[in-house]
Amino acid sequence: GQNIDQPTEMTATEGAIVQINCTYQTSGFNGLFWYQQHAGEAPTFLSYNVLDGLEEKGRFSSFLSRSKGYSYLLLKELQMKDSASYLCAVRDSNYQLIWGAGTKLIIKP
Amino acid sequence: DTAVSQTPKYLVTQMGNDKSIKCEQNLGHDTMYWYKQDSKKFLKIMFSYNNKELIINETVPNRFSPKSPDKAHLNLHINSLELGDSAVYFCASSPGQDQETQYFGPGTRLLVL
Repeated sequence: GQNIDQPTEMTATEGAIVQINCTYQTSGFNGLFWYQQHAGEAPTFLSYNVLDGLEEKGRFSSFLSRSKGYSYLLLKELQMKDSASYLCAVRDSNYQLIWGAGTKLIIKP
Repeated sequence: DTAVSQTPKYLVTQMGNDKSIKCEQNLGHDTMYWYKQDSKKFLKIMFSYNNKELIINETVPNRFSPKSPDKAHLNLHINSLELGDSAVYFCASSPGQDQETQYFGPGTRLLVL
């Protein structure tokens, strides 16, 4: 079966750095997405990786290792508004998106 | 100038009723989706349409019937609502059917009593 694993919940301090991991087992791979979802709101696109390595976008970076079936989302200089769920999703060989359950990130002052 | 809009935002109804949720996108995208997000926060694809044609039809009870009158609209009709249908339903769109970046609507919170 197809599977995406992420930690259920993480806590970090304002101004710090946090890394949210995602491991996947899918039938084929055509890219990995990270989405942010604030409570009661819709998911919004954060990043996309299809090749190995690090993609940086401001305070957010996303890393991919296809051989390990592994990705992480790195958030720097955490702000209170970063409190949200972070969803990892993988596009399989049929170009269907398989979604993880999300990691709820709690930022404390 | 809303990109993906859904109505209604909240829907409270009795078991056994029939209800519809509407979705519209003004992004000029070819592909639209319906997702169900349950209390455990899993996003589960239900249907996908590309240029009004059904391309993804996951294992969903046939009480759920999508309709796409044109590529900018994708509606979801649900017959004989059950308690387990309570969830948040998100509409989304993407430029093409290869599931590029998806843009989500605000969600419809359905509560079946």
